[in-house]
Amino acid sequence: AQSVTQLGSHVSVSEGALVLLRCNYSSSVPPYLFWYVQYPNQGLQLLLKYTTGATLVKGINGFEAEFKKSETSFHLTKPSAHMSDAAEYFCAVSGVPSGGSYIPTFGRGTSLIVHP
Amino acid sequence: GAVVSQHPSWVICKSGTSVKIECRSLDFQATTMFWYRQFPKQSLMLMATSNEGSKATYEQGVEKDKFLINHASLTLSTLTVTSAHPEDSSFYICSAPGTYPASGGTDTQYFGPGTRLTVL
Repeated sequence: AQSVTQLGSHVSVSEGALVLLRCNYSSSVPPYLFWYVQYPNQGLQLLLKYTTGATLVKGINGFEAEFKKSETSFHLTKPSAHMSDAAEYFCAVSGVPSGGSYIPTFGRGTSLIVHP
Repeated sequence: GAVVSQHPSWVICKSGTSVKIECRSLDFQATTMFWYRQFPKQSLMLMATSNEGSKATYEQGVEKDKFLINHASLTLSTLTVTSAHPEDSSFYICSAPGTYPASGGTDTQYFGPGTRLTVL
């Protein structure tokens, strides 16, 4: 069984400020962790993922996330927010593949609001 | 690589009619595809797993006769919402796992742009 908790349905930052979106997971097997971004009326775009190896993962658009097993966390950060970062962000976890595919379980999402 | 398309991007239909949504993997083959439903301001809910050449697997609580899934080829899965009603209005998203090693690996899902269904 696996689950994801995203703390805060909305996060508001000023342009240029640090972005921190929180994600905690639970998984009975070593997790694969993902962050996706969704712009209005669009599908999900993969930002980054952790599978194995280095725990600090860098993704697209300047985002990065760190896998901390002891804290069961995979928080997403970006040093300086841009207006274009305003979107919905989903954390997801997957574990043992089902029929060969890793089916992710999604968090409820965090809406990032960027103020000028 | 690993591009998934959906058609149509939005559709409005009358109550009682059926609507077909297509999901295509454009540059890779997908023996498995997944269909999700997303309500406004909420997360994605997995509806079913579409399997090429065999029956789809539905999640608990999803009506099989309501949401017909056909995986006709290695690049196409279709979701048909039969006898649609206003409560079926939603954003429907499909995904396909990447292939190894060309497209990200099977541990990653690639999502279509979604289809907005509005039933009047």
